[in-house]
Amino acid sequence: NAGVTQTPKFRILKIGQSMTLQCTQDMNHNYMYWYRQDPGMGLKLIYYSVGAGITDKGEVPNGYNVSRSTTEDFPLRLELAAPSQTSVYFCAGGQGNTGELFFGEGSRLTVL
Amino acid sequence: GENVEQHPSTLSVQEGDSAVIKCTYSDSASNYFPWYKQELGKRPQLIIDIRSNVGEKKDQRIAVTLNKTAKHFSLHITETQPEDSAVYFCAGWSGSARQLTFGSGTQLTVLP
Repeated sequence: NAGVTQTPKFRILKIGQSMTLQCTQDMNHNYMYWYRQDPGMGLKLIYYSVGAGITDKGEVPNGYNVSRSTTEDFPLRLELAAPSQTSVYFCAGGQGNTGELFFGEGSRLTVL
Repeated sequence: GENVEQHPSTLSVQEGDSAVIKCTYSDSASNYFPWYKQELGKRPQLIIDIRSNVGEKKDQRIAVTLNKTAKHFSLHITETQPEDSAVYFCAGWSGSARQLTFGSGTQLTVLP
């Protein structure tokens, strides 16, 4: 199993551009999450999903959108990128009933 | 929602000494408390966890204790080694909220 896979690993955007961070998992996780981690800071929840077709906002959802059309994929969309969205983004998956999460390797995004 | 506070934010110990990191949580419904280790530029990795029906759990040099009444839990690392240097995050899982809320992290430095 590959686990939780994120692409791209690095990306530089200009202000106002849009992009999608991809996240896919092959561990049959029903719960999936997107966190952002600013330099020297903790993990803040952006969006999460408890199953295909279901998404909910986390602590910092503004400027982002997600979809969950399949169990395996949970893409994060950034519309009109802003410098404040410069961060490392982590996707994570879990079974939900245990609380244990498995993280992807992260995507480092810089908005200039 | 859940609020997890973590102390200290930085901790330096001599190699071979013990390190203790403490966390408190607010949601009495939280029932799962994992600890993650994050090395520089890497993803958070689960190192130990504890459920609310257990008071203590050990895994070699690492132990976690939980006091449900006081709503606090702690990570203990004995015989610290330079490779233990990393950022450690505590977290609390609320099954009802279906979210894992992270503490702000502790930068542990083990001095040779």
